[in-house]
Amino acid sequence: RKEVEQDPGPFNVPEGATVAFNCTYSNSASQSFFWYRQDCRKEPKLLMSVYSSGNEDGRFTAQLNRASQYISLLIRDSKLSDSATYLCVVNLYNNNDMRFGAGTRLTVKP
Amino acid sequence: EAGVTQFPSHSVIEKGQTVTLRCDPISGHDNLYWYRRVMGKEIKFLLHFVKESKQDESGMPNNRFLAERTGGTYSTLKVQPAELEDSGVYFCASSPGVRGGYTFGSGTRLTVV
Repeated sequence: RKEVEQDPGPFNVPEGATVAFNCTYSNSASQSFFWYRQDCRKEPKLLMSVYSSGNEDGRFTAQLNRASQYISLLIRDSKLSDSATYLCVVNLYNNNDMRFGAGTRLTVKP
Repeated sequence: EAGVTQFPSHSVIEKGQTVTLRCDPISGHDNLYWYRRVMGKEIKFLLHFVKESKQDESGMPNNRFLAERTGGTYSTLKVQPAELEDSGVYFCASSPGVRGGYTFGSGTRLTVV
């Protein structure tokens, strides 16, 4: 089993659509989870942390399901500017060394 | 505040040559990380410094890779001798503590020909 596994994608959606990404992780004891966004040929940038109770930042909602060992990212009312690769990142062994998923490519079309 | 700076942004070298990548973390960040993304693969952890000490180097692929962080400030990653499979984008990141996300540098794109 991969340490961090994401939906393979790509996701192609129209503007205004709602899209959800899932990510599973291998270590049930992991404590810290993040979603990063990476634009083409750019560095990853922190989108949001994922908290146990779930959290929301504008159009973005992140949730954690510890029992099933997955996190999710929901994007509502998609914009063209949301087109990017979304990376699931887990502090898998709670040692501050993050492990990355392969990323899910999102393309939002007019 | 200056971000994480990496140099060079691109490097093209021949197989067998040596290349040294440099990373300047955000000032005051004790934690410094190296990651690598090879074509078509996910970003992979290489190693983690806390100040000048190597906290975890379990991701270093082999002994052709040597990372240093003298004085706990900037870090270098040397590849000697370079092989074709070393091509990829090498990212550096830093963070102030044990929680929270990282700030990444813009990466060094290494091409070994």
